[in-house]
Amino acid sequence: KAGVTQTPRYLIKTRGQQVTLSCSPISGHRSVSWYQQTPGQGLQFLFEYFSETQRNKGNFPGRFSGRQFSNSRSEMNVSTLELGDSALYLCASTPAPGVADTQYFGPGTRLTVL
Amino acid sequence: GQNIDQPTEMTATEGAIVQINCTYQTSGFNGLFWYQQHAGEAPTFLSYNVLDGLEEKGRFSSFLSRSKGYSYLLLKELQMKDSASYLCAVRERNYGGATNKLIFGTGTLLAVQP
Repeated sequence: KAGVTQTPRYLIKTRGQQVTLSCSPISGHRSVSWYQQTPGQGLQFLFEYFSETQRNKGNFPGRFSGRQFSNSRSEMNVSTLELGDSALYLCASTPAPGVADTQYFGPGTRLTVL
Repeated sequence: GQNIDQPTEMTATEGAIVQINCTYQTSGFNGLFWYQQHAGEAPTFLSYNVLDGLEEKGRFSSFLSRSKGYSYLLLKELQMKDSASYLCAVRERNYGGATNKLIFGTGTLLAVQP
């Protein structure tokens, strides 16, 4: 079974631009969560989707948004990029919320904002 | 509030045993995860505890005491490749509905020396 995949793996953008990141969950998984990892703040929860609905959202500004499609693939978007948005963005998938005894991460997208 | 504490750094010798502690205070609890993360890579799932007691998986074991808000990860027969960051994460119990949201500690950087 293929793992969680994320595209692109690396991105370089400039301040003020916007970016869209994609996450394809493990086959059969319908729950996708997104996290931001920075050296200063560690891993922080962004949002969680299940059956195309956002179930939970972390403490991030409205510039961060996401969605999930009917095939469970998810995208997140960051608008008006700031230098502080430079981070590793990770997604994780499970079959459903709150019940899995494993939660596997994808390889991440490393975003650099110049 | 939500707080997860781990030691920042630890050093151990190849072949030895090391215990990495994690204490937590969260608004709800629905399981504790341990992840290993090598520099520049995504976190890799190691273990999951939701009931009190010890879970053993090869060279890795994890213990949980819910009443004390305490967990530890035990690594036996240390190898050089075990040098990595070890992340403790608590899955919230969201009374508004099941969630996969993980609250992460800042991680423990383990250095294994020859």
